[in-house]
Amino acid sequence: NAGVIQTPRHKVTGKGQEATLWCEPISGHSAVFWYRQTIVQGLEFLTYFRNQAPIDDSGMPKERFSAQMPNQSHSTLKIQSTQPQDSAVYLCASSLGQGNGAETLYFGSGTRLTVL
Amino acid sequence: GQQVQQSPASLVLQEGENAELQCNFSSTATQLQWFYQSPGGSLVSLLSNPSGTKHTGRLTSTTVTKERRSSLHISSSQTTDSGTYLCAIDPNAYKVIFGKGTHLHVLP
Repeated sequence: NAGVIQTPRHKVTGKGQEATLWCEPISGHSAVFWYRQTIVQGLEFLTYFRNQAPIDDSGMPKERFSAQMPNQSHSTLKIQSTQPQDSAVYLCASSLGQGNGAETLYFGSGTRLTVL
Repeated sequence: GQQVQQSPASLVLQEGENAELQCNFSSTATQLQWFYQSPGGSLVSLLSNPSGTKHTGRLTSTTVTKERRSSLHISSSQTTDSGTYLCAIDPNAYKVIFGKGTHLHVLP
Protein backbone atom coordinates (compact mmCIF):
# COMPACT_ATOMS: atom_id res chain seq x y z
CA ASN A 1 0.00 0.00 0.00
CA ALA A 2 1.62 3.20 -1.19
CA GLY A 3 -0.44 5.42 1.09
CA VAL A 4 -2.10 8.62 -0.04
CA ILE A 5 -0.33 9.95 -3.10
CA GLN A 6 -0.26 13.64 -3.94
CA THR A 7 1.16 15.21 -7.05
CA PRO A 8 2.99 17.36 -7.74
CA ARG A 9 5.12 17.74 -4.61
CA HIS A 10 5.91 21.32 -5.51
CA LYS A 11 4.19 23.76 -7.80
CA VAL A 12 5.13 27.31 -8.61
CA THR A 13 2.65 29.52 -10.42
CA GLY A 14 2.50 33.13 -11.41
CA LYS A 15 -0.21 35.35 -10.01
CA GLY A 16 -3.42 34.83 -11.96
CA GLN A 17 -2.54 31.39 -13.27
CA GLU A 18 -4.47 28.21 -12.53
CA ALA A 19 -3.19 25.39 -10.33
CA THR A 20 -4.54 21.84 -10.21
CA LEU A 21 -3.51 19.54 -7.39
CA TRP A 22 -4.03 15.78 -7.49
CA CYS A 23 -4.71 13.24 -4.80
CA GLU A 24 -4.94 9.46 -4.96
CA PRO A 25 -6.47 8.08 -1.74
CA ILE A 26 -5.68 4.72 -0.24
CA SER A 27 -7.52 1.97 -2.08
CA GLY A 28 -10.71 1.05 -0.25
CA HIS A 29 -10.99 4.35 1.59
CA SER A 30 -14.28 6.08 0.91
CA ALA A 31 -13.58 9.37 2.71
CA VAL A 32 -11.26 11.98 1.21
CA PHE A 33 -10.31 15.27 2.79
CA TRP A 34 -8.40 18.35 1.66
CA TYR A 35 -6.56 20.58 4.12
CA ARG A 36 -4.38 23.64 3.71
CA GLN A 37 -1.43 24.35 5.99
CA THR A 38 0.29 27.67 6.56
CA ILE A 39 2.52 28.85 9.37
CA VAL A 40 0.03 31.51 10.43
CA GLN A 41 -3.24 29.55 10.22
CA GLY A 42 -1.99 26.03 10.81
CA LEU A 43 -4.00 23.18 9.30
CA GLU A 44 -7.34 24.34 7.90
CA PHE A 45 -10.10 22.04 6.70
CA LEU A 46 -11.13 22.76 3.14
CA THR A 47 -13.49 20.05 1.91
CA TYR A 48 -14.64 16.44 2.38
CA PHE A 49 -15.91 13.73 0.03
CA ARG A 50 -17.55 10.48 0.98
CA ASN A 51 -18.10 7.82 -1.66
CA GLN A 52 -17.11 10.47 -4.20
CA ALA A 53 -19.94 12.79 -3.18
CA PRO A 54 -19.10 16.24 -1.81
CA ILE A 55 -20.32 16.34 1.79
CA ASP A 56 -18.86 19.49 3.30
CA ASP A 57 -17.00 22.27 1.51
CA SER A 58 -17.43 24.84 4.26
CA GLY A 59 -13.71 25.51 4.40
CA MET A 60 -13.30 26.26 0.73
CA PRO A 61 -12.91 29.89 -0.33
CA LYS A 62 -16.08 30.43 -2.33
CA GLU A 63 -14.38 32.00 -5.27
CA ARG A 64 -11.55 30.47 -7.26
CA PHE A 65 -11.38 27.15 -5.34
CA SER A 66 -13.11 23.98 -6.46
CA ALA A 67 -12.67 20.29 -5.70
CA GLN A 68 -13.88 17.22 -7.50
CA MET A 69 -13.76 13.49 -7.10
CA PRO A 70 -14.65 12.00 -10.48
CA ASN A 71 -13.86 8.44 -9.39
CA GLN A 72 -12.87 6.60 -6.25
CA SER A 73 -9.20 6.63 -7.14
CA HIS A 74 -8.54 10.33 -7.36
CA SER A 75 -9.57 13.80 -6.30
CA THR A 76 -8.49 17.18 -7.61
CA LEU A 77 -8.30 20.61 -6.05
CA LYS A 78 -8.32 23.44 -8.55
CA ILE A 79 -7.41 27.01 -7.79
CA GLN A 80 -8.21 29.54 -10.48
CA SER A 81 -6.47 32.90 -10.78
CA THR A 82 -4.00 32.05 -8.01
CA GLN A 83 -2.99 34.78 -5.60
CA PRO A 84 0.10 35.03 -3.36
CA GLN A 85 -2.08 34.37 -0.30
CA ASP A 86 -2.92 30.95 -1.76
CA SER A 87 0.68 29.89 -1.14
CA ALA A 88 0.55 26.99 1.30
CA VAL A 89 1.00 23.26 1.62
CA TYR A 90 -2.15 21.49 0.47
CA LEU A 91 -2.68 18.15 2.16
CA CYS A 92 -4.98 15.36 1.12
CA ALA A 93 -6.09 12.66 3.54
CA SER A 94 -8.25 9.58 3.36
CA SER A 95 -9.96 7.30 5.83
CA LEU A 96 -12.18 4.25 5.71
CA GLY A 97 -15.24 6.47 5.85
CA GLN A 98 -17.33 4.37 8.20
CA GLY A 99 -18.55 7.56 9.87
CA ASN A 100 -18.28 6.31 13.42
CA GLY A 101 -15.97 9.08 14.53
CA ALA A 102 -13.19 6.69 15.44
CA GLU A 103 -11.21 6.60 12.23
CA THR A 104 -7.60 7.30 11.56
CA LEU A 105 -6.76 9.85 8.92
CA TYR A 106 -3.94 9.00 6.55
CA PHE A 107 -2.24 12.00 5.00
CA GLY A 108 -0.31 12.40 1.79
CA SER A 109 3.01 14.22 1.68
CA GLY A 110 1.31 17.36 0.44
CA THR A 111 1.74 19.76 -2.45
CA ARG A 112 3.66 22.93 -1.69
CA LEU A 113 2.11 25.69 -3.80
CA THR A 114 4.06 28.88 -4.27
CA VAL A 115 2.38 31.79 -6.05
CA LEU A 116 4.81 34.43 -7.20
CA GLY B 1 -12.90 31.15 18.54
CA GLN B 2 -10.22 28.55 18.17
CA GLN B 3 -11.60 25.12 18.92
CA VAL B 4 -8.33 23.38 19.72
CA GLN B 5 -5.58 25.05 21.71
CA GLN B 6 -2.21 23.46 22.36
CA SER B 7 0.53 24.31 24.80
CA PRO B 8 3.34 24.94 24.93
CA ALA B 9 3.81 26.35 21.44
CA SER B 10 7.40 25.13 21.47
CA LEU B 11 9.53 22.97 23.70
CA VAL B 12 13.25 22.29 23.81
CA LEU B 13 14.54 19.25 25.69
CA GLN B 14 17.77 17.38 26.22
CA GLU B 15 17.72 13.84 24.98
CA GLY B 16 16.40 11.54 27.67
CA GLU B 17 14.08 14.11 29.25
CA ASN B 18 10.32 13.65 29.29
CA ALA B 19 7.87 15.89 27.44
CA GLU B 20 4.34 16.82 28.43
CA LEU B 21 2.11 18.34 25.75
CA GLN B 22 -1.32 19.77 26.46
CA CYS B 23 -4.45 20.09 24.35
CA ASN B 24 -7.65 21.91 25.29
CA PHE B 25 -10.71 21.88 23.10
CA SER B 26 -13.87 23.93 23.18
CA SER B 27 -16.29 21.62 21.39
CA THR B 28 -17.58 18.23 22.35
CA ALA B 29 -15.80 15.67 20.25
CA THR B 30 -16.44 12.09 19.33
CA GLN B 31 -12.78 11.53 18.70
CA LEU B 32 -9.46 13.00 19.69
CA GLN B 33 -6.28 12.16 17.85
CA TRP B 34 -2.65 13.06 18.25
CA PHE B 35 -0.58 13.48 15.10
CA TYR B 36 3.13 13.87 14.47
CA GLN B 37 4.47 16.01 11.66
CA SER B 38 8.10 15.47 10.80
CA PRO B 39 10.42 18.34 9.91
CA GLY B 40 10.06 17.14 6.34
CA GLY B 41 6.31 17.66 6.54
CA SER B 42 4.78 14.19 6.53
CA LEU B 43 1.86 13.86 8.95
CA VAL B 44 1.07 10.61 10.72
CA SER B 45 -1.45 9.64 13.32
CA LEU B 46 0.13 8.62 16.64
CA LEU B 47 -2.94 7.48 18.50
CA SER B 48 -6.64 8.03 18.97
CA ASN B 49 -7.83 8.63 22.48
CA PRO B 50 -11.35 10.01 23.00
CA SER B 51 -11.25 9.27 26.73
CA GLY B 52 -9.11 7.67 29.38
CA THR B 53 -5.48 6.72 29.06
CA LYS B 54 -3.73 5.01 26.19
CA HIS B 55 -0.14 3.88 25.77
CA THR B 56 1.87 3.14 22.69
CA GLY B 57 5.60 2.72 23.00
CA ARG B 58 7.02 5.76 24.80
CA LEU B 59 3.79 7.71 24.33
CA THR B 60 1.01 8.04 26.87
CA SER B 61 -2.14 10.04 26.20
CA THR B 62 -4.69 10.95 28.85
CA THR B 63 -7.99 12.52 27.84
CA VAL B 64 -10.53 13.88 30.32
CA THR B 65 -13.54 14.37 28.10
CA LYS B 66 -15.76 16.26 30.54
CA GLU B 67 -12.93 18.76 31.12
CA ARG B 68 -12.20 18.92 27.38
CA ARG B 69 -8.51 18.36 27.71
CA SER B 70 -5.93 15.83 26.63
CA SER B 71 -2.24 15.40 27.25
CA LEU B 72 0.52 13.56 25.47
CA HIS B 73 3.48 12.39 27.49
CA ILE B 74 6.68 11.39 25.70
CA SER B 75 9.09 9.51 27.92
CA SER B 76 12.85 9.38 27.43
CA SER B 77 12.82 11.74 24.46
CA GLN B 78 15.10 11.06 21.51
CA THR B 79 16.42 13.40 18.84
CA THR B 80 14.22 11.61 16.33
CA ASP B 81 11.17 12.78 18.30
CA SER B 82 11.81 16.32 17.09
CA GLY B 83 8.97 17.72 15.05
CA THR B 84 5.48 19.08 15.55
CA TYR B 85 2.81 17.35 17.59
CA LEU B 86 -0.75 18.17 16.62
CA CYS B 87 -3.92 17.55 18.56
CA ALA B 88 -7.12 17.13 16.56
CA ILE B 89 -10.80 16.66 17.32
CA ASP B 90 -13.72 15.75 15.11
CA PRO B 91 -16.81 17.51 16.49
CA ASN B 92 -18.85 16.40 13.50
CA ALA B 93 -17.65 12.81 13.54
CA TYR B 94 -15.77 13.36 10.29
CA LYS B 95 -14.42 16.90 10.02
CA VAL B 96 -11.17 16.92 11.91
CA ILE B 97 -10.13 20.24 13.44
CA PHE B 98 -6.46 20.67 14.30
CA GLY B 99 -4.64 22.73 16.87
CA LYS B 100 -1.58 24.71 15.81
CA GLY B 101 0.74 22.20 17.38
CA THR B 102 3.65 22.00 19.78
CA HIS B 103 7.06 22.24 18.12
CA LEU B 104 9.40 19.88 19.93
CA HIS B 105 13.17 20.06 19.56
CA VAL B 106 15.23 17.40 21.29
CA LEU B 107 18.90 18.21 21.62
CA PRO B 108 21.57 15.48 21.58
